[in-house]
Amino acid sequence: QSVLTQPPSLSGAPGQRVTISCTGSSSNIGAAYDVHWYQQLPGTAPKLLIYGNSNRPSGVPDRFSGSKSGTSASLAIAGLQAEDEAYYYCQSFDSRLSGYVFGSGTKVTVL
Amino acid sequence: QVQLQESGPGLVKPSETLSLTCTVSGDSISGYYWTWIRQPPGKGLEWIGDIYYSGSTNYNPSLKSRVTILVDMSKNQISLKVRSVTAADTAVYFCARVLQGRLDPWGQGTLVTVSS
Repeated sequence: QSVLTQPPSLSGAPGQRVTISCTGSSSNIGAAYDVHWYQQLPGTAPKLLIYGNSNRPSGVPDRFSGSKSGTSASLAIAGLQAEDEAYYYCQSFDSRLSGYVFGSGTKVTVL
Repeated sequence: QVQLQESGPGLVKPSETLSLTCTVSGDSISGYYWTWIRQPPGKGLEWIGDIYYSGSTNYNPSLKSRVTILVDMSKNQISLKVRSVTAADTAVYFCARVLQGRLDPWGQGTLVTVSS
């Protein structure tokens, strides 16, 4: 099972806001390691969506935002659009593993 | 911009060795960490290990005894070997560049099926 915990699925109507949680522990998110978020469309590789907890790479719409507090992080999608239907994964570094860890993934469905 | 492309056999027999190559174009592998990630069909992402351009490596403890990652500076390539494979190693294998802890960009991935 994944080291970081995410809800398996979320859904929302077009235009609504959805928030995906990512819960870790004292050896990863709680140890002040950055959290990064990826979007994976069907049949494609994950694409970096948010880095360093809250920063958007060039080209990522400002509808996507990230935050981090304590041992958890969140990805918010405001103004949900049909093209946002995808899997979303959080990722951080874990000091016990001495390596990278991922969330279990959240499937976002646009109703 | 930098692009990554995985290549290798799509079918490997149980107990044999899975071998993949990641070719980096658009930038040198020098100065960066590079990593391998895998995703079993319908499942989440698993970190396999990473390598610095100098050759130092770090592996997931769950796979460490069976995995080797190497760098070939002359070809601008990273390679992955997984020994003694079983059906549980069937997955899409991705390579990616590591930038301050984030993985960007990723290769398109290659599906490796373990079956006799």
